[in-house]
Amino acid sequence: AQSVAQPEDQVNVAEGNPLTVKCTYSVSGNPYLFWYVQYPNRGLQFLLKYITGDNLVKGSYGFEAEFNKSQTSFHLKKPSALVSDSALYFCAVRDNTNAGKSTFGDGTTLTVKP
Amino acid sequence: EAGVTQFPSHSVIEKGQTVTLRCDPISGHDNLYWYRRVMGKEIKFLLHFVKESKQDESGMPNNRFLAERTGGTYSTLKVQPAELEDSGVYFCASSQVGSIYEQYFGPGTRLTVT
Repeated sequence: AQSVAQPEDQVNVAEGNPLTVKCTYSVSGNPYLFWYVQYPNRGLQFLLKYITGDNLVKGSYGFEAEFNKSQTSFHLKKPSALVSDSALYFCAVRDNTNAGKSTFGDGTTLTVKP
Repeated sequence: EAGVTQFPSHSVIEKGQTVTLRCDPISGHDNLYWYRRVMGKEIKFLLHFVKESKQDESGMPNNRFLAERTGGTYSTLKVQPAELEDSGVYFCASSQVGSIYEQYFGPGTRLTVT
C-alpha cells in the first residue's frame, strides 16, 4: 500500500520569505512523486515531479522540491514567496510498479501575507 | 490544446435521486481517472480506465457508483441512488500511458446531496 502525509494543514509566510510545504510518503517500490496546486474554483495544476535522477527538481512558478530517500520526504520549497502563491497544495505518490492511481495527501493551505 | 473538462460544475440533488457526471479528457490520453474529495480531506482514488477498459476500480465505494467510458473517449460517473455521504468534489484526470507521466485534472464537479 502507498500513503502520503502532509503534516501541516496550514502554512503561513510573509511575502519575500522562503516557504516550505512538507510531505512524507510510503511506497513498496521506487516512488514517483508529484506536487499539485489548486487555486480557488479551479482544478489541480501540476507543479513538478520526481521520477529519477537529481534529488532537487525544479518546477513551475519558481517552485522546487527535494527528494530525500532516507527520510522518505519530498518537501516543496520556494526561495521567495509571493502573495499569488496562496493556494492549496497537494503531494502525491505513485508506485513505479503501478501505472495507475496516485495517492494524495490531505493538502496544505499556503497563505502568503503582504 | 484543450484541457480536461467536466460537466456539470455543480450539482445539487436530493437523497435518492440519480446524478451523472461527465468528463472529457485531453485528446490522445488513454488513461482516465476519477477521484473524489470529501469534507476537505484527501483526494481519494475511485477508478482508472485505460481506453475503454477498467484497469482498477478498487476505490469505488459501492455498487451505487457506475463508471463508463464508451469508445475510450469521454467518461461518465453515475451515482444511483445518491446518499448524503456522496457529497464532495469529484475530479477527473487524464494522462498518457505510463506511470512517469503527470495527471492533468479537470476543474471538478461539486456534488451536494441534501
